[in-house]
Amino acid sequence: SQQGEEDPQALSIQEGENATMNCSYKTSINNLQWYRQNSGRGLVHLILIRSNEREKHSGRLRVTLDTSKKSSSLLITASRAADTASYFCATDPQGAQKLVFGQGTRLTINP
Amino acid sequence: EPEVTQTPSHQVTQMGQEVILRCVPISNHLYFYWYRQILGQKVEFLVSFYNNEISEKSEIFDDQFSVERPDGSNFTLKIRSTKLEDSAMYFCASRRLAGGRGTQYFGPGTRLTVL
Repeated sequence: SQQGEEDPQALSIQEGENATMNCSYKTSINNLQWYRQNSGRGLVHLILIRSNEREKHSGRLRVTLDTSKKSSSLLITASRAADTASYFCATDPQGAQKLVFGQGTRLTINP
Repeated sequence: EPEVTQTPSHQVTQMGQEVILRCVPISNHLYFYWYRQILGQKVEFLVSFYNNEISEKSEIFDDQFSVERPDGSNFTLKIRSTKLEDSAMYFCASRRLAGGRGTQYFGPGTRLTVL
């Protein structure tokens, strides 16, 4: 698989439930970032976790990073209808000057 | 809060025509990027730019593409002779810090449609 692969590709849950999305990557990284994209719109930065960090919180978001497994997870707690969007992880590979995005997870929150 | 801006929001052009997509990065940022996203696909890196020169480019960024920082605020992407497959959303991004220490902030995108 390519750098920055998310799973699941699509996730549909009820409002109020928690949503968990996973991301795997292949190379050594400086950091990993999560972005949200509403349909046809721009990329909104959610959270950045550095390679020496294991967990980070921001409001209802919790991100973990396991560099030994080259994986990350994004947890959205107490989901709301407004959280409906696509979520992308993007790795910042060491020695590179770019972000490498995964295919994304399409999250649908049902009212 | 400062943000990256892009113009136009939507550009329609005929195949073979030249287009210039414009971006105004966040004012104290030093590193600039272009990415594209074909409909329904993932975001792909095109080029990074620092200190008035390209620092990295992808295989997509061939001779038909060029970037320029014509003044202290604008950052442009030019496609010399557009192809149908250039139809995509083009995102500009900027970052203040180097070495992977900073967040890349993205603009709202320009949707390019090549007919």
